[in-house]
Amino acid sequence: DADVTQTPRNRITKTGKRIMLECSQTKGHDRMYWYRQDPGLGLRLIYYSFDVKDINKGEISDGYSVSRQAQAKFSLSLESAIPNQTALYFCATSDSQIAKNIQYFGAGTRLSVL
Amino acid sequence: SQQGEEDPQALSIQEGENATMNCSYKTSINNLQWYRQNSGRGLVHLILIRSNEREKHSGRLRVTLDTSKKSSSLLITASRAADTASYFCATARRDSNYQLIWGAGTKLIIKP
Repeated sequence: DADVTQTPRNRITKTGKRIMLECSQTKGHDRMYWYRQDPGLGLRLIYYSFDVKDINKGEISDGYSVSRQAQAKFSLSLESAIPNQTALYFCATSDSQIAKNIQYFGAGTRLSVL
Repeated sequence: SQQGEEDPQALSIQEGENATMNCSYKTSINNLQWYRQNSGRGLVHLILIRSNEREKHSGRLRVTLDTSKKSSSLLITASRAADTASYFCATARRDSNYQLIWGAGTKLIIKP
């Protein structure tokens, strides 16, 4: 089984709909991240969480919200989806005990907003 | 904002040849990491080099870091078809809790 699991893997939705992307991990890491990837661009950080009670905005948090339900679970919500949120979304984890921030990624969720 | 810029954006070589990708960044860093992404899949960490290191090896990978030029290179020797992927550099800074700032990536194609 994958250490970092994202669901769903693919999602098509309509403009204005609320959707949730979920991430769970079995690595025991305290830190979790949500990124967005657009074609030809690197990853952009949406939100990150250093533990259950510590959630921070990243570079592009507008239009997104997150919830850290447990150390192992971190979900990303689009309150009212819009077409320019069509992208590949990745969840990642890291261990704060290792001060290098090597990150471990899920397989991604491909989201299309029509 | 992206810290890293990678060069070239795309690279196509014959199997068996060496592939070199470059990454430049803008601010001081604690470490620089390289990741691989197979088409549409999650990223996989390849190698990390600390700011006080100049060169590091891992199997067929060789990474160099020049902090005076704020640049790094990734060399893949004796390339294989399975090396076809996109390669990303990411920099970490201590003063930003080691958050990673990503480059746009180099798409590498290995021709059989």
